[in-house]
Amino acid sequence: LAKTTQPISMDSYEGQEVNITCSHNNIATNDYITWYQQFPSQGPRFIIQGYKTKVTNEVASLFIPADRKSSTLSLPRVSLSDTAVYYCLVGDIIGRNRDDKIIFGKGTRLHILP
Amino acid sequence: GAVVSQHPSRVICKSGTSVKIECRSLDFQATTMFWYRQFPKQSLMLMATSNEGSKATYEQGVEKDKFLINHASLTLSTLTVTSAHPEDSSFYICSARGQGAQTYNEQFFGPGTRLTVL
Repeated sequence: LAKTTQPISMDSYEGQEVNITCSHNNIATNDYITWYQQFPSQGPRFIIQGYKTKVTNEVASLFIPADRKSSTLSLPRVSLSDTAVYYCLVGDIIGRNRDDKIIFGKGTRLHILP
Repeated sequence: GAVVSQHPSRVICKSGTSVKIECRSLDFQATTMFWYRQFPKQSLMLMATSNEGSKATYEQGVEKDKFLINHASLTLSTLTVTSAHPEDSSFYICSARGQGAQTYNEQFFGPGTRLTVL
């Protein structure tokens, strides 16, 4: 499983755009990149998933450079309610890998200030 | 979207008793379910992976006789913490992956169960 590295914590202010970068130098050819959000005392929630270039949904954007060794989660105009831990994960397509599980790294603790 | 429920959301028990936690996929069939444990300010730690109708696969260091997992159907998995002790106090989270998932990363998580052992 490719290991991921993220900043331990980040602070930002309401209304700002927040970019959280994740390093995954050993990402395999078939691996996808997925980001989860977790609020205190709740289970993680899927945010976005991508393979290359850029993916955007109603919540966030995911930027993946050509070498795919890193990815950046972009949260536009954050609010206080975006204060959470954000996890970056790397995983293969189902059926191509006998390793069935996903392993969470330490994540990034994002704190939004008023 | 896919919904996973857990019951109970919070449980307090005495040391030495057993506690059962249920995890249900409400609107999809879960081919695989996972159980995680999370201590305060720490990341999720995978405990075991279970597929419907087969024995769970436990991660290294997780006692299978202490943490009994049953995945009896495509919508239900249970985790029983046997002879619980205070050090078992933690936040237990289950997740489920449906038949339509394309990558291993795609899991839907339950809301978690806070276990406190006195």
